[in-house]
Amino acid sequence: GESVGLHLPTLSVQEGDNSIINCAYSNSASDYFIWYKQESGKGPQFIIDIRSNMDKRQGQRVTVLLNKTVKHLSLQIAATQPGDSAVYFCAENIEGNNNDMRFGAGTRLTVKP
Amino acid sequence: KAGVTQTPRYLIKTRGQQVTLSCSPISGHRSVSWYQQTPGQGLQFLFEYFSETQRNKGNFPGRFSGRQFSNSRSEMNVSTLELGDSALYLCASSLAGQNGYTFGSGTRLTVV
Repeated sequence: GESVGLHLPTLSVQEGDNSIINCAYSNSASDYFIWYKQESGKGPQFIIDIRSNMDKRQGQRVTVLLNKTVKHLSLQIAATQPGDSAVYFCAENIEGNNNDMRFGAGTRLTVKP
Repeated sequence: KAGVTQTPRYLIKTRGQQVTLSCSPISGHRSVSWYQQTPGQGLQFLFEYFSETQRNKGNFPGRFSGRQFSNSRSEMNVSTLELGDSALYLCASSLAGQNGYTFGSGTRLTVV
């Protein structure tokens, strides 16, 4: 079946460097995407979202890029900090489809001091 | 405003027992969704409730059920527990089934 997937299960970066976390999706009907951050012992926390009519969206230190041609989503974190260490999930949804979000497997980001 | 509250935070049950987990959404949020999170399967959608009605359901057996009350609070129940039901159960709420969940911290269920 169609699913959301991640390219890398783990990512280790040096503090201050930029991080890029990738995600592939296969449901061409998906038109809304969200990145979540999950720290140990906590539930996923919304970071940033993007709709399919956009290819880039920026937040505070984060940027999401959407390439609909190859069904690829990425999350860029600028000047990565130790507090960014967490598992990051991408999720896809067909907007209006009763909130049936489908999540990827997650990427564990570790920031080295 | 208060976030999504899940109780209890931790629970240990024996195989064959049943369990009920509770979720209080953010005030004003009418949509509540439940997810199961395990290391092997990741986040898997269980079901979504809106205005006391189940609107969407994932691929879980009938042992997993839920309900939503008039105040939007939701419960999920798992009957005849199996070892494989050990997981973090997450509840998320949104305004009206719109996108952008807010998750609770989850209930960690251990079945022994």
